[in-house]
Amino acid sequence: SYELTQPPSVSVSPGQTARITCSGDALPKQYAYWYQQKPGQAPVLVIYKDSERPSGIPERFSGSSSGTTVTLTISGVQAEDEADYYCQSADSSGTYRVFGTGTKVTVL
Amino acid sequence: EVQLVESGGGLVQPGGSLRLSCAASGFTFSSYEMNWVRQAPGKGLEWVSYISSSGSTIYYADSVKGRFTISRDNAKNSLYLQMNSLRAEDTAVYYCAREADWFDYWGQGTLVTVSS
Repeated sequence: SYELTQPPSVSVSPGQTARITCSGDALPKQYAYWYQQKPGQAPVLVIYKDSERPSGIPERFSGSSSGTTVTLTISGVQAEDEADYYCQSADSSGTYRVFGTGTKVTVL
Repeated sequence: EVQLVESGGGLVQPGGSLRLSCAASGFTFSSYEMNWVRQAPGKGLEWVSYISSSGSTIYYADSVKGRFTISRDNAKNSLYLQMNSLRAEDTAVYYCAREADWFDYWGQGTLVTVSS
């Protein structure tokens, strides 16, 4: 089955930049999406179609894509950004939706 | 305002069955694809199943294929997940999520616990 791989954790000081990668063989063919999830809450979309930002999401959140890897960048991290982040995409046929393994962002 | 409200979760014994429901409001339900996504305690998100807006196209994750059945009633603005032959590893919070190429709206989830 298709998998998306993320680092388990990223630690960053306030005001610094956090980068979270997501790797998968079908990413050159399928868009990636990023979700933020805080404890006890449902996920919230923060990036769609690799690099687009939904309305209401702060400009410090950005996304990029290169080959089989997509990256979520949080510039000028704030304490409120501490959360779990998941990439999401689909297999090469577009049939099976897949979530990445998840990355816990800790603000030091 | 878009709202998705799940119900039907609870404690069930291994091998048992449960039917989850998701009540949708605030949008034209019949125009949107829908999904079920679950999250085991302390674990990551796992996609479970997809259904097209008309209900004619359905997909399942390998982990639930043959045991779970997704369906919808567009007249009642409702999404369902019939879960049979439940296993301990099916224990999770189950979310319904609207799809617009991405999962743009989520419910708050309903907890399913499979235990004897």
